[in-house]
Amino acid sequence: HVQLQESGPGLAKPSETLSLTCGVSGGSLNNYFWIWIRQTPGKGLEWIGHINYVGTTNYNPSLRSRVTISVDTSKNQFSLNLNSLTTADSAVYYCARRIPAAAGGGMDVWGQGTTVTVS
Amino acid sequence: DIVMTQSPDSLTVSLGERATINCKSSQSVLFSSNNKNYLAWYQQKPGQPPKLLIYWASFRESGVPDRFSGSGSGTDFTLTISNLQAEDVAVYYCQQFYSTWWTFGQGTRVEIK
Repeated sequence: HVQLQESGPGLAKPSETLSLTCGVSGGSLNNYFWIWIRQTPGKGLEWIGHINYVGTTNYNPSLRSRVTISVDTSKNQFSLNLNSLTTADSAVYYCARRIPAAAGGGMDVWGQGTTVTVS
Repeated sequence: DIVMTQSPDSLTVSLGERATINCKSSQSVLFSSNNKNYLAWYQQKPGQPPKLLIYWASFRESGVPDRFSGSGSGTDFTLTISNLQAEDVAVYYCQQFYSTWWTFGQGTRVEIK
């Protein structure tokens, strides 16, 4: 079955760029949306953005100016870049898979999450 | 944005009893082309990622116990946990995927009385 695993630094400095990768094992990137979500105690679950297997992206308007999501089908992974970090970007970052809306639309596979602290 | 508002923020229920969680969207999430509500419910236990329970507002994800059920349409939705079990202690979230950007409710914490 499909598994997702986030990787990246646990600590970043203000003003720097955070780069996280989500490795996909047990399945292909095709036909799904690939999501980045973050969670903080104060703001709960926040959708950052998503990409499909052909590279079409959609971003949260509140983060759009700072976010880039990309996909690498050769490595079966997708990535998140978030620049101009502030302490408010400290969160648990999750990657997830979303079924197309016409087939249900739910996020059915999640990574375990990676904690990022900006300090 | 479509704002998702859950109620209550927390509830305490006895084992074997029913838990009811409400979710209201600021605009309809009913997709007219297929008459499906673009709303999902998730369960999150401490230290774990969210787990998909319900999609299209009322369709149970494979492997989810049938004591979990979803209902509602348009802007008002309900997640019901019948016969509450100890392992159901968690935070529950609704989420819409109707609009271009997706939003979650603030979560409802379910505890055992």
